[in-house]
Amino acid sequence: QQQVKQSPQSLIVQKGGISIINCAYENTAFDYFPWYQQFPGKGPALLIAIRPDVSEKKEGRFTISFNKSAKQFSLHIMDSQPGDSATYFCAASTTGKLIFGQGTTLQVKP
Amino acid sequence: EAGVAQSPRYKIIEKRQSVAFWCNPISGHATLYWYQQILGQGPKLLIQFQNNGVVDDSQLPKDRFSAERLKGVDSTLKIQPAKLEDSAVYLCASSPLTGLGEKLFFGSGTQLSVL
Repeated sequence: QQQVKQSPQSLIVQKGGISIINCAYENTAFDYFPWYQQFPGKGPALLIAIRPDVSEKKEGRFTISFNKSAKQFSLHIMDSQPGDSATYFCAASTTGKLIFGQGTTLQVKP
Repeated sequence: EAGVAQSPRYKIIEKRQSVAFWCNPISGHATLYWYQQILGQGPKLLIQFQNNGVVDDSQLPKDRFSAERLKGVDSTLKIQPAKLEDSAVYLCASSPLTGLGEKLFFGSGTQLSVL
């Protein structure tokens, strides 16, 4: 029940395309859903986050869509750029404990 | 603002040896976390401190792992004795809030190889 399941494991997108990464959870006590971006040799960095009282949050080219009834949320990267090539982790939090998904390696081809 | 500092950057040891990692969080951050990230997986929480008290260590293999946070600032994570399956990146993170799962700032990690 503490798991966060993420898909796909890897993703290849052409420059300018839309990248979509999906996550699903079981624990309805989760109350905070961030996405982290990680480059090789670096620690994860917060990209964007959402709380379950809203269905969508947009920051620049990055959008989180949240479906509370389905217990799913997704990250959309619009106009994907080669610089977006990284590993993306969804996560979910309750009582201060952050549970990460397995990660999606995104490659944006020029 | 200085980020989360971790050392060493890399460590190679043989199984059954001991190893220690050090973390200096962002100044003023009350909450400190240690995560283990095995290659190809998401980070897994080992232990969470708030100031110098342990909030959650349910995932810490206490027979071989130990951690402390000195005076609510720096922290060390120790493994003794190390096993092959401990090969991973050990990430330290800190948060300015009171452990509510808000924005975590991660260091670059210590990559441990156990041979």
